[in-house]
Amino acid sequence: NAGVTQTPKFQVLKTGQSMTLQCAQDMNHNSMYWYRQDPGMGLRLIYYSASEGTTDKGEVPNGYNVSRLNKREFSLRLESAAPSQTSVYFCASSNSGTGRAFFGQGTRLTVV
Amino acid sequence: GESVGLHLPTLSVQEGDNSIINCAYSNSASDYFIWYKQESGKGPQFIIDIRSNMDKRQGQRVTVLLNKTVKHLSLQIAATQPGDSAVYFCAEIFGGATNKLIFGTGTLLAVQP
Repeated sequence: NAGVTQTPKFQVLKTGQSMTLQCAQDMNHNSMYWYRQDPGMGLRLIYYSASEGTTDKGEVPNGYNVSRLNKREFSLRLESAAPSQTSVYFCASSNSGTGRAFFGQGTRLTVV
Repeated sequence: GESVGLHLPTLSVQEGDNSIINCAYSNSASDYFIWYKQESGKGPQFIIDIRSNMDKRQGQRVTVLLNKTVKHLSLQIAATQPGDSAVYFCAEIFGGATNKLIFGTGTLLAVQP
């Protein structure tokens, strides 16, 4: 099994450009998450989806939108990228009612 | 509020010693508390979790302790090895329908040979 797959792995954007980060999981998990991790910092929750068809804001949702396309896929969109959004983005998934989340390898995004 | 924080940002131990990583939390309504390990350049990896109605849980070389009275969580690693060098995060989850997973700030564990 692939687990949690994120694409792309690396991306450089210019200020104001838009892009979508893709995430897919093959573990039939109900819950999916998007985090950002700045250098030397912890993970901050951007958005999460407890189940297919639902999405909720996390700690730092401003400047982002998400789509839970189906049970497998959860995408994160930056409509107008800003340098402050330079970070490593992690997608994760878990079964409802557990704390055991599985993470992708991350997307390193630089906004110049 | 919802916050999870750590007492020690860096912990240096000798190989073979036991390590204790601490964490404070503020939300008494959390259902699970979890420890994750993150190696450089990788995503976090689950280590062990504990339900809020438990005080202690043991895994392979790791033990998690939960003290709800003082809202404190700790991770004990026995016979620390160089491969244990990483950043360790505590996290908490709010259950029911939300399953919201919030992370603390992390502790860097450096194992000296």
